[in-house]
Amino acid sequence: EVKLEESGGGLVQPGGSMKLSCVASGFTFSSYWMSWVRQSPEKGLEWVAEIRLKSDNYATHYAESVKGKFTISRDDSKSRLYLQMNSLRAEDTGIYYCTGYRYAWFAYWGQGTLVTVSA
Amino acid sequence: DIQMNQSPSSLSASLGDTITITCHASQNINVWLSWYQQKPGNIPKLLIYKASNLHTGVPSRFSGSGSGTGFTLTISSLQPEDIATYYCQQGQSYPWTFGGGTKLEIK
Repeated sequence: EVKLEESGGGLVQPGGSMKLSCVASGFTFSSYWMSWVRQSPEKGLEWVAEIRLKSDNYATHYAESVKGKFTISRDDSKSRLYLQMNSLRAEDTGIYYCTGYRYAWFAYWGQGTLVTVSA
Repeated sequence: DIQMNQSPSSLSASLGDTITITCHASQNINVWLSWYQQKPGNIPKLLIYKASNLHTGVPSRFSGSGSGTGFTLTISSLQPEDIATYYCQQGQSYPWTFGGGTKLEIK
């Protein structure tokens, strides 16, 4: 059974930092592209960042709104995905989902972790 | 960025009905279109990929069609468990973008 489990969410003040983690099981993590997708009532579903495979030199892509603030990384030996988030603002509030896929559609989703940016 | 426009934003239908949701891309995305279902309080789940391919385990009453800029998701013989919000998503170019969603309710 495929499982993605996120952790690390919570309440953070504007301008603060937070690191999300996602542990995968039930599939060959190292063979899957991974992304973070967030959801908020204001913006709906929004793709945030992607990291590809070792064979792609772990190439990364980011939404313009988080470029330079967020860093996606992975540890294939631990089947873990990370999202380092800096300079957080209220508009970064939302549920952050870890997703796994091989092409351009998100086949696997975690249960999500809630990030709230508020003073 | 490629904008994805879904219509309608909400829809009410009766059990057994056939319903259609449309998704329009602001530029040509070939067949790089997927559909997701998100039931209340649940996570999004992949229904259809590459415009018309059913994901594993998805009932055959769901179908997708289209190419270029216009796409449709059709649900035939509507069931109570189909109550959900449906989203389209383009995978043609970065940034991957989603439609605003269509909330389906049962009359």
